[in-house]
Amino acid sequence: RKEVEQDPGPFNVPEGATVAFNCTYSNSASQSFFWYRQDCRKEPKLLMSVYSSGNEDGRFTAQLNRASQYISLLIRDSKLSDSATYLCAVTLLITGGGNKLTFGTGTQLKVEL
Amino acid sequence: NAGVTQTPKFRILKIGQSMTLQCTQDMNHNYMYWYRQDPGMGLKLIYYSVGAGITDKGEVPNGYNVSRSTTEDFPLRLELAAPSQTSVYFCASSLRDGQFFGPGTRLTVL
Repeated sequence: RKEVEQDPGPFNVPEGATVAFNCTYSNSASQSFFWYRQDCRKEPKLLMSVYSSGNEDGRFTAQLNRASQYISLLIRDSKLSDSATYLCAVTLLITGGGNKLTFGTGTQLKVEL
Repeated sequence: NAGVTQTPKFRILKIGQSMTLQCTQDMNHNYMYWYRQDPGMGLKLIYYSVGAGITDKGEVPNGYNVSRSTTEDFPLRLELAAPSQTSVYFCASSLRDGQFFGPGTRLTVL
């Protein structure tokens, strides 16, 4: 089983739609959780951290379910500019205090007119 | 702040050649990382560093070496390039959580 799993998509949605992505992780010791956005041929950019209490940033809402070991990302009122690949990432503490980020393979979103 | 910078942006190597991928960050982050990303395969950790003078292996370290003589710089060395090392290489840094990535180096080994 992969450490972090995502549906690769693509998710093709019309502009204005609400779309949700899920991501599951296998290591219950995982400590921190993130969503990254990656545009074609660009570097991943941190979109938001994910907390058990849920957190919202404008049209984006992230949620963590530790019991079921999954995280979710909800995008409301999709824009054309939201088209990208969304990577979930989980961290484990590593020796010396840093963290090892393990990424999913990403979910591709295409927002269409 | 420039953030995380990487050079070169593109490179073509012949089998057996060597090269160094440069990475510099100006955010005074202690933690730095090297990843490779292959199509459809996600990001794989090659090496990481928790501070100057300290480095350790990630998931896929074979064929690579790193050094961390300063907080700012974390170069990745390929000694004997192989076609399997054709990939996009990303350097990242963090203060604690939430890593910030450089723009990447696209490497092709022929």
